Amino acid sequence: QIQLVQSGPELKKPGETVKISCKASGYTFTDYSMHWVKQAPGKGLKWMGWINTETGEPTYADDFKGRFAFSLETSASTAYLQINNLKNEDTATYFCARDYGSRLDYWGQGTTLTVSS
Amino acid sequence: DIVLTQSPASLAVSLGQRATISCRASESVDSYGNSFMHWYQQKPGQPPKLLIYRASNLESGIPARFSGSGSRTDFTLTINPVEADDVATYYCQQSNEDPFTFGSGTKLEIK
Repeated sequence: QIQLVQSGPELKKPGETVKISCKASGYTFTDYSMHWVKQAPGKGLKWMGWINTETGEPTYADDFKGRFAFSLETSASTAYLQINNLKNEDTATYFCARDYGSRLDYWGQGTTLTVSS
Repeated sequence: DIVLTQSPASLAVSLGQRATISCRASESVDSYGNSFMHWYQQKPGQPPKLLIYRASNLESGIPARFSGSGSRTDFTLTINPVEADDVATYYCQQSNEDPFTFGSGTKLEIK
């Protein structure tokens, strides 16, 4: 069965870097793009962007240009979200989600990131 | 960016009754004869779950109590009849153009 399994919770200090993983199984990884979605505590969903798993080309929403980077390890069917120079407002749960015909049909369980000094 | 306005922000419905959630887009989300509007359900502590895709198509495994309608800028998610397990927050999302924006969510409670 199709699964997206994300890495565990993270506790970081401001200015540090975090890299969150999303391992896919049950389908051909390079056939479907991967999206990333942010959910701050008690808030709604915010689309961060997506990465073409065939070419590795990322696309970022405006609010996520600069400190955020999507990457792939295709041999491991894994997508990554890296956030540099962490800020308190990066505290959130981050989800990866598979793009199937432009809808997000499978989601990871979410990775909770806490940024605090 | 396409702004999605959901209403109401919250609603309380009696078991067995109908719940209706609206999503209005700031511009059309239709292309090539399809409406690129989707609906998700999110329960606390869980990831969102796809319910309806392209406005009116029921995702596999989702009960037929859920239905979607609409086109261009006006869309509706209907749950009929509402069951206790439907307590959740519901989001619309458009994928007609980048960025793929979400609505602000509608919290459904049981009256």
